[in-house]
Amino acid sequence: KQEVTQIPAALSVPEGENLVLNCSFTDSAIYNLQWFRQDPGKGLTSLLLIQSSQREQTSGRLNASLDKSSGRSTLYIAASQPGDSATYLCAVPSGNTGKLIFGQGTTLQVKP
Amino acid sequence: ETGVTQSPTHLIKTRGQQVTLRCSSQSGHNTVSWYQQALGQGPQFIFQYYREEENGRGNFPPRFSGLQFPNYSSELNVNALELDDSALYLCASSLDGFYEQYFGPGTRLTVT
Repeated sequence: KQEVTQIPAALSVPEGENLVLNCSFTDSAIYNLQWFRQDPGKGLTSLLLIQSSQREQTSGRLNASLDKSSGRSTLYIAASQPGDSATYLCAVPSGNTGKLIFGQGTTLQVKP
Repeated sequence: ETGVTQSPTHLIKTRGQQVTLRCSSQSGHNTVSWYQQALGQGPQFIFQYYREEENGRGNFPPRFSGLQFPNYSSELNVNALELDDSALYLCASSLDGFYEQYFGPGTRLTVT
């Protein structure tokens, strides 16, 4: 059974810092991994999708890496801004439906 | 290209009542998945519809049911509402279920 864990659960940093969010999964037989952002009470915004054949994916100040063999992914946020404050979720598809298994999320606060 | 939309935005119901939530999938997508997100938790998979057929179900009782229409929009119905059904309900659309999933803004259901 696939399980996804995110560490830390919460993070507070001053503006301008570079930071890393961690995601681990128990079953390495995945074909992709998605990182999402969620603002309070809102839906999920897809940030990055990494295919199983890729090691990294970049979008602006965001960089996600994937190491299938160790069951880990990281989301690197460069030069953090207060507008980055949100909950970040990682998810992997599972089973023959592609249903997403989510971690609990990391809630990020970037202080001005 | 129209994104995923959900209605209503918010809903308050009484225990024992029934509710219907609606989702319009992104143009070109044939798969809709529904998720329940309790406060402070990651989303949990309810079920998926692919080309108007249920294509997988999570650990939810039969009082959670759904439909998908020929235009690939979808409904989630919940009968005999319980207090624990209070949550954010998210739908996601994708092409064939295995590619990147795009989420709607969610419906916040409160059961009193």
